[in-house]
Amino acid sequence: GAGVSQTPSNKVTEKGKYVELRCDPISGHTALYWYRQSLGQGPEFLIYFQGTGAADDSGLPNDRFFAVRPEGSVSTLKIQRTERGDSAVYLCASGVGGINEQFFGPGTRLTVL
Amino acid sequence: GENVGLHLPTLSVQEGDNSIINCAYSNSASDYFIWYKQESGKGPQFIIDIRSNMDKRQGQRVTVLLNKTVKHLSLQIAATQPGDSAVYFCAENTGNQFYFGTGTSLTVIP
Repeated sequence: GAGVSQTPSNKVTEKGKYVELRCDPISGHTALYWYRQSLGQGPEFLIYFQGTGAADDSGLPNDRFFAVRPEGSVSTLKIQRTERGDSAVYLCASGVGGINEQFFGPGTRLTVL
Repeated sequence: GENVGLHLPTLSVQEGDNSIINCAYSNSASDYFIWYKQESGKGPQFIIDIRSNMDKRQGQRVTVLLNKTVKHLSLQIAATQPGDSAVYFCAENTGNQFYFGTGTSLTVIP
């Protein structure tokens, strides 16, 4: 079956611009996570959805970052007024919820010039 | 955040030898742990998991050991193959969040 997919695979933008990153989870998975991974580091938690609601958004670094999951499936991570420090790989993972494994997508590499 | 770290940032092993990758965690309340493998340009791939009520779990060529007394986790890979070359992360679950370590880069020498 299809795994987690993320689009675009690469995104280059200019400082100050707005970007949207999309995640398509595995069908039927109610849990969805966003992570950010900088070079040479492990993934850093951003936000967790259970269904349509953000169950835990404590990892979002500031109010320029926002994520939605309106129908409990596809999720969009939105970054306003991008800064060079936002450059990283943004990973999405989905799972059945609870304390169980997550399945990761390939990530979106964001470069802010 | 939590302190999930790895003792060795890089590891080189000869093909066919066994590999051991270590990880320390700081939150004694963590109750679920996962090892991931990440190849260049790809997302982390699940290898094996273990819950806190266990101290050992085996998969195909991989074994995870959990020592809750010293808050230590290890991944053993038997008969390491060139395809095992990657960065390996341990992750601990606390509440809704998974905390990842920095990773260990494993290189298998043919």
